[in-house]
Amino acid sequence: QKEVEQDPGPLSVPEGAIVSLNCTYSNSAFQYFMWYRQYSRKGPELLMYTYSSGNKEDGRFTAQVDKSSKYISLFIRDSQPSDSATYLCAAGSARQLTFGSGTQLTVLP
Amino acid sequence: GAGVSQSPSNKVTEKGKDVELRCDPISGHTALYWYRQSLGQGLEFLIYFQGNSAPDKSGLPSDRFSAERTGGSVSTLTIQRTQQEDSAVYLCASSPNMVLAGGPGELFFGEGSRLTVL
Repeated sequence: QKEVEQDPGPLSVPEGAIVSLNCTYSNSAFQYFMWYRQYSRKGPELLMYTYSSGNKEDGRFTAQVDKSSKYISLFIRDSQPSDSATYLCAAGSARQLTFGSGTQLTVLP
Repeated sequence: GAGVSQSPSNKVTEKGKDVELRCDPISGHTALYWYRQSLGQGLEFLIYFQGNSAPDKSGLPSDRFSAERTGGSVSTLTIQRTQQEDSAVYLCASSPNMVLAGGPGELFFGEGSRLTVL
């Protein structure tokens, strides 16, 4: 079993839809949780970073962490074609992040 | 430049040859990470440097893989006697030292070196 499991997708939604991306993790020592976005043939870039349970909002993006169930989610409101990318969840400790396998999202105009 | 720089961007090699991949991190970033990304497999951790030392080499898949970092800056990942299963994108990331917060901080990734072993 991988330490971080991510719904593989791919996911295709119409413009304006609400998108839900989900991950689970198995290591209860993980303290830090991140979402990265990766465009084709580019390196991942950080979207959201949190170290506690609860919600964190940034514009159209909301990251949710539930440590009791070891569940990580990213919600995208009013999705745009420019949101089309691969989204990677990550969880870890001070020295190392473990990434999920990524969910490829396509937002259709 | 301001970002993490990796070279070469693309490398095609024959099975059995050695390859070297280079990473130039953001100036001042003390932590440096190497990850491998295969199709549909996500990012696989390889090695982490804090300064020039590597406290965590647990992800190196075999003794054919090695990495070094000199001067607290540039890092080189070397793969000896390459195999076809080594074909992947090798990503380097750097981050500031987050000793006080204890967290890894934001990882800034380069665009990767795409390795194809024929």
